[in-house]
Amino acid sequence: ETGVTQSPTHLIKTRGQQVTLRCSSQSGHNTVSWYQQALGQGPQFIFQYYREEENGRGNFPPRFSGLQFPNYSSELNVNALELDDSALYLCASSSIMTLNYGYTFGSGTRLTVV
Amino acid sequence: QKEVEQNSGPLSVPEGAIASLNCTYSDRGSQSFFWYRQYSGKSPELIMFIYSNGDKEDGRFTAQLNKASQYVSLLIRDSQPSDSATYLCAVRTGGGADGLTFGKGTHLIIQP
Repeated sequence: ETGVTQSPTHLIKTRGQQVTLRCSSQSGHNTVSWYQQALGQGPQFIFQYYREEENGRGNFPPRFSGLQFPNYSSELNVNALELDDSALYLCASSSIMTLNYGYTFGSGTRLTVV
Repeated sequence: QKEVEQNSGPLSVPEGAIASLNCTYSDRGSQSFFWYRQYSGKSPELIMFIYSNGDKEDGRFTAQLNKASQYVSLLIRDSQPSDSATYLCAVRTGGGADGLTFGKGTHLIIQP
């Protein structure tokens, strides 16, 4: 039990559709980050939220967007889904003061785009 | 472009031996270094972090950092079959908004 929960666990969508993935951060963590992990690859940084604002972004197009809520939960939205968006999406939470000590990852959402 | 390189393996080690996993990184501004373990179908689990040159030990695990050579390693002593997993090296550069840059991981197999 990591304390970071993600939903849903699995999802199948059709190319061109939109998807929303959800994450509840571990208690006391005010920073949430999202990562995409394709099969056989390491996770890739999508973006990070702190105090409900995006404060860092990786090399992902604008159709990847997010929200962080006052209770530090978060959403990842992906528009106009492409086949290459099929991956494990990981949410990670941390305190802004302890980022250098590592993240706690949730169990992930497996997205399949057909 | 920040890059983290790992040998994808598989690395096969007999039970009870020392497993040695290696990682190099390209950005000299990198400040924090992490090793995550990931079992098949599961999410990554943090096992070690290090930010100073030298060795850091935690139980059977030792992380080694050499910033001059841009090299990080993980040693697993007394390897157990349950250590069989993919080990991901990750690097953070400076400010907290950068996120982590991960390598592709090394698949470790401990042979009973």
